[in-house]
Amino acid sequence: EAGVTQSPTHLIKTRGQQVTLRCSPISGHTSVYWYQQALGLGLQFLLWYDEGEERNRGNFPPRFSGRQFPNYSSELNVNALELEDSALYLCASSWVVRDRGFHEQFFGPGTRLTVL
Amino acid sequence: AQTVTQSQPEMSVQEAETVTLSCTYDTSESDYYLFWYKQPPSRQMILVIRQEAYKQQNATENRFSVNFQKAAKSFSLKISDSQLGDAAMYFCAYIANTNAGKSTFGDGTTLTVKP
Repeated sequence: EAGVTQSPTHLIKTRGQQVTLRCSPISGHTSVYWYQQALGLGLQFLLWYDEGEERNRGNFPPRFSGRQFPNYSSELNVNALELEDSALYLCASSWVVRDRGFHEQFFGPGTRLTVL
Repeated sequence: AQTVTQSQPEMSVQEAETVTLSCTYDTSESDYYLFWYKQPPSRQMILVIRQEAYKQQNATENRFSVNFQKAAKSFSLKISDSQLGDAAMYFCAYIANTNAGKSTFGDGTTLTVKP
């Protein structure tokens, strides 16, 4: 069974540009999570989508946005890129999580974004 | 706000020996989950072990076990019989049951295993 896939693997952009990152969850998973991992640091929660709806959001500015498609794949969009947006962006998926509880999150390999 | 602190940026252990990684957290919630994740170099992050806060018994997964001290808000990971493949960055993470989907991670501990 295929794991979580992300594209592209690497991306180089300049400040002010816009970028779209893509994630395909494990088959059967309806929840998709996005995290930002700056170099040498822990993961910062960005967004959680479940069944097409944004369910929770981390402390990031509105220029970080995303969506989830009917096939449960997801996009993360970052507008007006800043130098500090350079990071590894990780996507994870899990079985559906209702208002409470937890299901194990399975992570993709990430997209390395460099902003020059 | 919930915070997770890993006070050991780097740890090393001799192969076959035991090492303990520390994690403390701060929360006002009573119902939550705690996790340890492993991120090998250039490889995907995987869940090592999880602990439900309402369970008093410490979780164990083969060579990995935790020491969960709820009152002290401490959640350490013990790796027994360390293997070269255990070398990785280890992250402690927390999620409140009332804030589903939003995990808080520590900054990680890099574990080196010496042959």
